[in-house]
Amino acid sequence: SAVISQKPSRDICQRGTSLTIQCQVDSQVTMMFWYRQQPGQSLTLIATANQGSEATYESGFVIDKFPISRPNLTFSTLTVSNMSPEDSSIYLCSVVGLAGDYEQYFGPGTRLTVT
Amino acid sequence: EDKVVQSPLSLVVHEGDTVTLNCSYEVTNFRSLLWYKQEKKAPTFLFMLTSSGIEKKSGRLSSILDKKELFSILNITATQTGDSAVYLCATPNAGGTSYGKLTFGQGTILTVHP
Repeated sequence: SAVISQKPSRDICQRGTSLTIQCQVDSQVTMMFWYRQQPGQSLTLIATANQGSEATYESGFVIDKFPISRPNLTFSTLTVSNMSPEDSSIYLCSVVGLAGDYEQYFGPGTRLTVT
Repeated sequence: EDKVVQSPLSLVVHEGDTVTLNCSYEVTNFRSLLWYKQEKKAPTFLFMLTSSGIEKKSGRLSSILDKKELFSILNITATQTGDSAVYLCATPNAGGTSYGKLTFGQGTILTVHP
């Protein structure tokens, strides 16, 4: 399985600011995703990070609020822009390996608190 | 819309007990079902099931899929306090613009008392 790291692991931010979360994988992967898990909720997909092109966003999520980059097959960033307390969540990246066998692995997550 | 339902939503047992967690699904273009264990932040991958009737096993955990009845179970034998966690099942979208997107169940909160 892929080894995934995320930075930062946690942060406390003031409303109105932005935070960029990094996701690094130790091997090339076909698909990378960004999920959000709000307190007491299950995971919700924000977007699919596409290598070399714009991310594909799920209903309810927009690029201006959650810009995503994926410059290569091992790295992606998610920015949470103009934060409000409602953005307090755990943010997780996940990957599907090159075998495309749908085994999907998650990074360790970033716990974001917005005050 | 794909749907995944887990039961029970919570379960409290004592060490040594055996538990069975349930996951039913209604999805178009089914390809696989995945089980995860979530303790703090990140879900940890447990199993991926693609074929009916073939049990996957890892230590005290095992899982099986029934594609006819559209459900899967996760069994944990001789439970330990370290098994306390949220157990999630999910299915990936196998087509369309959300290819690979996981649809999660609500999760089962398992608490194992000493």
